[in-house]
Amino acid sequence: TQLLEQSPQFLSIQEGENLTVYCNSSSVFSSLQWYRQEPGEGPVLLVTVVTGGEVKKLKRLTFQFGDARKDSSLHITAAQPGDTGLYLCAGEFWGGYNKLIFGAGTRLAVHP
Amino acid sequence: ETGVTQTPRHLVMGMTNKKSLKCEQHLGHNAMYWYKQSAKKPLELMFVYNFKEQTENNSVPSRFSPECPNSSHLFLHLHTLQPEDSALYLCASSLIGSAGGNTIYFGEGSWLTVV
Repeated sequence: TQLLEQSPQFLSIQEGENLTVYCNSSSVFSSLQWYRQEPGEGPVLLVTVVTGGEVKKLKRLTFQFGDARKDSSLHITAAQPGDTGLYLCAGEFWGGYNKLIFGAGTRLAVHP
Repeated sequence: ETGVTQTPRHLVMGMTNKKSLKCEQHLGHNAMYWYKQSAKKPLELMFVYNFKEQTENNSVPSRFSPECPNSSHLFLHLHTLQPEDSALYLCASSLIGSAGGNTIYFGEGSWLTVV
């Protein structure tokens, strides 16, 4: 069974703090996506990473794909209340053609 | 606006009712999906369609019946559901075979409550 472990499950921080969310698996990903979901809405794509060691930046968000393509991290610098939401990682595994496996998500709350 | 539209956004149905969820994508994608999202559980893949052909049925009970008449439309027919089927049902689509990974795009979801 291919599992994607995401940590932490919950994160409650003050505005201006930095944070990192992790996504790990024992299997190799062919690609990995990060999504953000607000209450009552569908997940919205933030980024797709494909190459081992790849780093992508989206304003204050930095996404890193592990060299071995088994893990990924999302780092937010100077978090703002607007960053509040559920962050989901989703991996496409070798041989798992067009079947994404989702992590359980990290629920982030940023307080003013 | 993600290019994937789901209707209705909210649905309340009795256990003996028959209803359908509808999804339409305007992205020119060739694969469509149904996911279920319950409280405290990861997103669960239910069905996958590639070029209108069902390629995945993730052990979903027969009271959920998908239909994909063409690569732009996807339905989920519901009948004799149970209260534990109450959840957010998410439709998604993707372009299989494109470079850069299989990125899927979600609709806003249909909130289903079974009473």
